[in-house]
Amino acid sequence: AQKITQTQPGMFVQEKEAVTLDCTYDTSDPSYGLFWYKQPSSGEMIFLIYQGSYDQQNATEGRYSLNFQKARKSANLVISASQLGDSAMYFCAMRVAQGGSEKLVFGKGTKLTVNP
Amino acid sequence: EPEVTQTPSHQVTQMGQEVILRCVPISNHLYFYWYRQILGQKVEFLVSFYNNEISEKSEIFDDQFSVERPDGSNFTLKIRSTKLEDSAMYFCASHTDMNTEAFFGQGTRLTVV
Repeated sequence: AQKITQTQPGMFVQEKEAVTLDCTYDTSDPSYGLFWYKQPSSGEMIFLIYQGSYDQQNATEGRYSLNFQKARKSANLVISASQLGDSAMYFCAMRVAQGGSEKLVFGKGTKLTVNP
Repeated sequence: EPEVTQTPSHQVTQMGQEVILRCVPISNHLYFYWYRQILGQKVEFLVSFYNNEISEKSEIFDDQFSVERPDGSNFTLKIRSTKLEDSAMYFCASHTDMNTEAFFGQGTRLTVV
């Protein structure tokens, strides 16, 4: 069964420093996609970054990068130069495709707090 | 920038009442979803919808739930007889082709009292 594990319930980082949020996944499918979403206290889900299982390079989007280690089945999110506005819940998710339909399976999330 | 729009943002309803949550996906998107997030917990898949029919549903999506795309733009989730445990944030999501990112609406916070 496909599963996403986020082992850090909460993380703290100083403003302007980098932080890594961990995510491991479990799937037997050779083709999959990995996503990170940010959920601020207002509740909306904001897409941050995507990594496909066949992508040769790690995905980057501005201050966000994804440290994709396929053999270890990990897809950690790295946020560089943290800002106060980065304080939020962060969810790792994996796209699961079966029989012509697909869905996202989410981890439990990591609450990031950026301290001034 | 196009976005997924959900209404209402917050709904309070009495137990046993029917509620309809509304979503307007991005116009050229073909795949539609409802997800649920109970307060403080992870986001859970409810149902996927493609080509005017349900393509997959989870165990949560029992006979009390139904989805519809009545007019080619709106995508609705109906809960026929709400229970206290239906209180959650409900997210609508959509995307174009398979293997593309899903865009989420801002959510509807449903409170059943």
